[in-house]
Formats: sequence, structure tokens, C-alpha cells
Amino acid sequence: AQKVTQAQTEISVVEKEDVTLDCVYETRDTTYYLFWYKQPPSGELVFLIRRNSFDEQNEISGRYSWNFQKSTSSFNFTITASQVVDSAVYFCALSAFTGANSKLTFGKGITLSVRP
Amino acid sequence: NAGVMQNPRHLVRRRGQEARLRCSPMKGHSHVYWYRQLPEEGLKFMVYLQKENIIDESGMPKERFSAEFPKEGPSILRIQQVVRGDSAAYFCASSPPSRHTGSSYEQYFGPGTRLTVT
Repeated sequence: AQKVTQAQTEISVVEKEDVTLDCVYETRDTTYYLFWYKQPPSGELVFLIRRNSFDEQNEISGRYSWNFQKSTSSFNFTITASQVVDSAVYFCALSAFTGANSKLTFGKGITLSVRP
Repeated sequence: NAGVMQNPRHLVRRRGQEARLRCSPMKGHSHVYWYRQLPEEGLKFMVYLQKENIIDESGMPKERFSAEFPKEGPSILRIQQVVRGDSAAYFCASSPPSRHTGSSYEQYFGPGTRLTVT
């Protein structure tokens, strides 16, 4: 069975602070995908990143960076110099790598509030 | 290229009524997934369908819920005799057919339908 744990439920920071959102997962699969999604107050789901399990290189996209550590089953997400527009709920998710069924297992989400 | 469409965006039903949620996948996508987001919760997988087939319904409640994806037209998630506990956001996602190499495609999400049962 697959499981995603986002132990932090709410984080509040002041604008321009860096913030790291933690994600720990469990799976019996040897290959899998990991994801991060953002859900702003408007409610839609915004795709941020997909990472496959055999690529452990860290990734940076603008102010966003992701740290994948297979040894600790973690896929953490850092926002540098946070902005008010980053306020949202952030979900980490996991899916199988192969096969037609790529259903996602989500964590419960982390509510990030960035204060001006 | 239109994204995944869901309608209605907001739906209000009284207890005991039926709710029908529609999902039109992206063009060329033949796989549809439905997820439910209860208040203050993450999204939970409900059902995975391909055209005219239910592939995985392991997340569907055993009673009152059904889903279909006909050869023509949108996928429908149907909830009969709704109760207050059905109030949630229901998201649909679509993906293309599997690659020949076997690795799966990512899913594209619709904007969701927010169901309120009064």
C-alpha cells in the first residue's frame, strides 16, 4: 500500500522568508513518481513538479526547489524568498511508475500562509 | 487545446436528491480519474475509468456512488440519495493512453465541482 505523510499542517511565514514543506512517503514499488501540487484559495489544483524515483538530482525552478532523498523516502519542497501569492495548500502525491493505472495517493496537505 | 472541464462548478442538493457530476477529459485522453476532497482533507482516489470500462473502483463507497465513461460524451459521477457527508469537492483528472514502454502519464486536473448538501 502507498502512503504519503505531510506532518506539518500549517506554516506561517513573513514575506521574503524561506520555507520548506516536508513530505515522507511509503511504497513497496521500486519505481514510482512523486508530485507536488498547489491549491490556491480559488480551489483549483496547480501541478508543480513530477519526479521519477530513479532520478535523485535536486531540481530548481525559479524560487522553487525540490530535494529528493530516496534513502529517507522524502521529497521536500523549498520556497525561497516567499511571497504573499505563495499562500496556498500544498499537496505531495505518489503514483505508480508503470502500467495504465496511475492513480495518485495524496498527503493531507500543508496550509502555507505568507504574511506581508 | 482545452483543458479538463468539469460541470457544474458548484452544485447544491438537498438530502435525498441525486447529484450528477460531469467531466470532459482533454482531447485525446481516454483515461479518467475521480478524486474527492473532504473539508480539511487531502484528495482521495475514488475511481479510474477508460472508455466504457471501470478499471479500478477501489476508492468508491460501496453504496449510492457510481461512475461511467461512455464511448461518447463526458464521464459521469453519480451520487444517489445524497447525505450531508457527501459535501466535498470532486475533482476529475485525465491522462492519455499508456505508453508502449509501460511508463505512465501524468494526470491533468479539472477545476473541480463543489457539492453542498443541505
